[in-house]
Amino acid sequence: DVQLVESGGDLVQPGGSLRLSCIASGFIFSNYGMAWVRQAPGKRPEWVSTIGESGNDPLYLDSVKGRFAISRDNSKDTLFLQMHSLRVEDTALYYCAKYRSLTSGSVFDHWGRGTLVTVSS
Amino acid sequence: EIVLTQSPATLSLSPGERATLSCRASQSIDTQLAWYKQKPGQAPRLVIYDVSNRAAGIPARLSGSGSGTDFTLTISSLESEDFAVYYCQHRYSWPPTFGGGTTVEIK
Repeated sequence: DVQLVESGGDLVQPGGSLRLSCIASGFIFSNYGMAWVRQAPGKRPEWVSTIGESGNDPLYLDSVKGRFAISRDNSKDTLFLQMHSLRVEDTALYYCAKYRSLTSGSVFDHWGRGTLVTVSS
Repeated sequence: EIVLTQSPATLSLSPGERATLSCRASQSIDTQLAWYKQKPGQAPRLVIYDVSNRAAGIPARLSGSGSGTDFTLTISSLESEDFAVYYCQHRYSWPPTFGGGTTVEIK
């Protein structure tokens, strides 16, 4: 079974940094694009960032460009999200999500349980 | 950015009834639309992709239709596990965005 397990969420002050991790299992990690999707309490999900199978072509939501960096380590089946200059509006549950296939476009067929990022003074 | 508008916000129905959920896009997205179901305290789960393709393990009572700007998710006969929030999401351009959700609740 596909499993995605996120970690690294925490309470941080505005302007702070965090690094999220997502350990994948149950599929060939290096064959799939991956994404981070966040959801603030009571709000709709919001796509944050995507990375290709080999770590190429990262894409970002405009509001996080220059502050967040997505990366992956295929030797460890792990996805990362490095977050700097955090803002109150970045507060959300951050999900790691797997692309359905190489050609599916942004269709996310498996999601982790999420890790909570709270930005507050 | 493409905006997806879902209606109604809440649908109050009884088990066995038919549910019809709507998603409208601010511009044409061809057939590049997915639906997700989310229960409280859980992550979203893919139910339909590319308008009408059911994801693995999704029962046939859920079906999708539409193209261009207007899309529908239909649940032919509601069962207890179907009561949840449903989000539509497009993949037509960057960024992919989600609709505001429709809550299907027990009447």
